[in-house]
Amino acid sequence: EDQVTQSPEALRLQEGESSSLNCSYTVSGLRGLFWYRQDPGKGPEFLFTLYSAGEEKEKERLKATLTKKESFLHITAPKPEDSATYLCAVQVMGYSTLTFGKGTMLLVSP
Amino acid sequence: EAGVAQSPRYKIIEKRQSVAFWCNPISGHATLYWYQQILGQGPKLLIQFQNNGVVDDSQLPKDRFSAERLKGVDSTLKIQPAKLEDSAVYLCASSLDRDSLSQYPYEQYFGPGTRLTVT
Repeated sequence: EDQVTQSPEALRLQEGESSSLNCSYTVSGLRGLFWYRQDPGKGPEFLFTLYSAGEEKEKERLKATLTKKESFLHITAPKPEDSATYLCAVQVMGYSTLTFGKGTMLLVSP
Repeated sequence: EAGVAQSPRYKIIEKRQSVAFWCNPISGHATLYWYQQILGQGPKLLIQFQNNGVVDDSQLPKDRFSAERLKGVDSTLKIQPAKLEDSAVYLCASSLDRDSLSQYPYEQYFGPGTRLTVT
């Protein structure tokens, strides 16, 4: 069975304090791994797609990396507006549906 | 480019009543998904359509949930009769993915969701 586990469940940072979120996965064959951001009362917003081990993608203060077992979302010098829940999802070869983790709730204090 | 549209945004019903949600995907997206998101959890797939055909409904509680996608564009998800445990956010998503056998992963774009409360 495909599994996605995110850690930590919640993370509180001071503005400017860099950190990383983890997404570990167990799938039969990875087609792609996705990171989404979800603000309260809104739908998930697409951030990154990764599909090859060693791949990295960046957007502003966020950088996503991928290995054969896990992905990290690195947040450099976060700002309060980065506060949100970050969701990781996997897509398996032969399928287009997504299996999501439970998310990491990030709170950045000024 | 317009995003995925959903309505209503909020709905409160009593148990055993029926409810329907509507979704309009991004123009040109062949594949449409309905997900259920319970508070504190990630979204869970209910049903996937490609054009107007069902691809995966294995996790849809078919005794009470139904969905259709007429003409391969808009979609409606219905619950009848509703139970307390159906209280959740119902998310619609769409993607360009036309061939799941492709090695290339296609991202899904989500609508704002409908928050359902069953009392």
